[in-house]
Amino acid sequence: EVQLVESGGGLVQPGGSLRLSCAASGFTFSSGWIHWVRQAPGKGPVSVSRMNSDGTSTSYADSVKGRFTISRDNAKNTLYLQMNSLRADDTAVYYCLKYIGGWTWGQGTLVTVSS
Amino acid sequence: DIQMTQSPSSLSASVGDRVTITCRASQDISSSLAWFQQKPGKAPTSLIYAASSLQSGVPSKFSGSGSGTDFTLTISSLQPEDFATYYCQQYNSYPLTFGQGTRLEIK
Repeated sequence: EVQLVESGGGLVQPGGSLRLSCAASGFTFSSGWIHWVRQAPGKGPVSVSRMNSDGTSTSYADSVKGRFTISRDNAKNTLYLQMNSLRADDTAVYYCLKYIGGWTWGQGTLVTVSS
Repeated sequence: DIQMTQSPSSLSASVGDRVTITCRASQDISSSLAWFQQKPGKAPTSLIYAASSLQSGVPSKFSGSGSGTDFTLTISSLQPEDFATYYCQQYNSYPLTFGQGTRLEIK
């Protein structure tokens, strides 16, 4: 069974940092693109970032460019999102997504940026 | 970015009804369209991919159609567990973009 499990969310003050993790199982993690998407309270999902299979290509939403860094460790079947200089409008549930014969979503991890 | 426009934004229906939700892309996305369901406080669950392919384990009461810019999700014989918010998502080009959602409520 394809599974994605996010962790690392929490409460952080504005300007702070967090690193999210997405542990993958049930498929060949080292193949294909994998995505981070976030959903602010009461809103629809929005793309945040993506990375290709070997980590040589990345994309970021304009709103996080220069603050967030996506990375992956194929030996550990894990995707990461390093989030720096966090702002109140980064508050959201963060999901990792993978397309394998349809889209698989993780259960999400909540990031709250507040003083 | 490709804009995805869903209609209606909310819909009231009764148990046993058949409903249709539409999604329009701002440009041709071929068949790179997915639908997913979300219940309050829960992660999204995928229903349809490639516009009309049913995700594994999803009941056949859910069906999708369309290509290019116009797509539909149809849910037949509504049951209480189907009342939720539904989103479309295009993946023809990055960034992934999503419709604003359709909230399906019990009449």
